[in-house]
Amino acid sequence: AQSVTQPDIHITVSEGASLELRCNYSYGATPYLFWYVQSPGQGLQLLLKYFSGDTLVQGIKGFEAEFKRSQSSFNLRKPSVHWSDAAEYFCAVEGGSYIPTFGRGTSLIVHP
Amino acid sequence: SQTIHQWPATLVQPVGSPLSLECTVEGTSNPNLYWYRQAAGRGLQLLFYSVGIGQISSEVPQNLSASRPQDRQFILSSKKLLLSDSGFYLCAWASGQGEAFFGQGTRLTVV
Repeated sequence: AQSVTQPDIHITVSEGASLELRCNYSYGATPYLFWYVQSPGQGLQLLLKYFSGDTLVQGIKGFEAEFKRSQSSFNLRKPSVHWSDAAEYFCAVEGGSYIPTFGRGTSLIVHP
Repeated sequence: SQTIHQWPATLVQPVGSPLSLECTVEGTSNPNLYWYRQAAGRGLQLLFYSVGIGQISSEVPQNLSASRPQDRQFILSSKKLLLSDSGFYLCAWASGQGEAFFGQGTRLTVV
């Protein structure tokens, strides 16, 4: 069965600092991989996705993620965080079961 | 373009009362549909999913049920709410490659 681990429940960064949110997945082959962002009281919005090809994918709002097959990881990065990036971030995987599986989420706190 | 509507946005219901949350999708046909519940700090818990009209799969046995009376309509119901049913409920539909599109969610408080 597919699974997703986001080891960091909370991450605190200063505005302007770089960010990396970790995501590890478990699946027998290469799954489809996603990062979503959720603002308080809202639904989830897709940031970026990886299906195949170039392992570095660009998303909206200046985010990028790198797929590393050897580490079963799909970490999310941003070179300079803005206060508006404070939100909950979810990594997700889909491996052909028609059911996206989500990690428990990482809460990003941005200090001015 | 595809859109997903979920309502109501907030709901306060007494224990033992019934529940009906509705979700509709526009701009796509035969979508895979999902109901998730989100508890604080616990991520998304898949409750039900549907790959077609009348086809419902339950992931977690509980006090809730789901129905899909039309291709783009997905309903979450309960006959008698429990306090433990409180939470944030999210409806979603997914493309063939698993990319999910979410509604705005319903905050349910059972009192």
